[in-house]
Amino acid sequence: NAGVTQTPKFQVLKTGQSMTLQCAQDMNHEYMSWYRQDPGMGLRLIHYSVGAGITDQGEVPNGYNVSRSTTEDFPLRLLSAAPSQTSVYFCASSSPWGNPSPLHFGNGTRLTVT
Amino acid sequence: AQKITQTQPGMFVQEKEAVTLDCTYDTSDPSYGLFWYKQPSSGEMIFLIYQGSYDQQNATEGRYSLNFQKARKSANLVISASQLGDSAMYFCAMREVVSGTDKLIFGTGTRLQVFP
Repeated sequence: NAGVTQTPKFQVLKTGQSMTLQCAQDMNHEYMSWYRQDPGMGLRLIHYSVGAGITDQGEVPNGYNVSRSTTEDFPLRLLSAAPSQTSVYFCASSSPWGNPSPLHFGNGTRLTVT
Repeated sequence: AQKITQTQPGMFVQEKEAVTLDCTYDTSDPSYGLFWYKQPSSGEMIFLIYQGSYDQQNATEGRYSLNFQKARKSANLVISASQLGDSAMYFCAMREVVSGTDKLIFGTGTRLQVFP
């Protein structure tokens, strides 16, 4: 029972480089989301998806792109990395809104942009 | 707009004592869900407890209970009989589905330290 799998666990980028953070879940959850965690700021929602082919912006979407071609996968793309994107990134999934439908989290990706 | 507020950046509690972590929220939608998560120093996010806006009773899960005061828009987490392993960051979160959006938003967290 893998749950939510994020890769890589650690990544160092130079300013201007691009990369994709991978996220996959095997729980057949329709809802998936990406958060970034910075000291003192809690977890802030970047993008989310309520099903394949549907994505929407969260609180801090600028600089990030997402797509959802399958139920299982929800990659997060940084097209031109900036030092301000240094953070810990979490992917999460859940069943559709209902009772209680908590988020299941991956173990996070620690990204450093120099 | 959604908003979750945790006003206690840090809390200390002695082992075996109870502690309350505060959380207030702001929403105009009558249907929402409230969650608490624990993040130990290892970094993983652990779901603790859930309260639905229409639930009549306060949620309980083992040593965790949620003091839900709807009129005050507060959802405080109560940890009874604290243990050293309870030392961690605790996050309150709210999920709201309104106007075609479905967002789960977190507060800034409270760092709990349990001492012997």
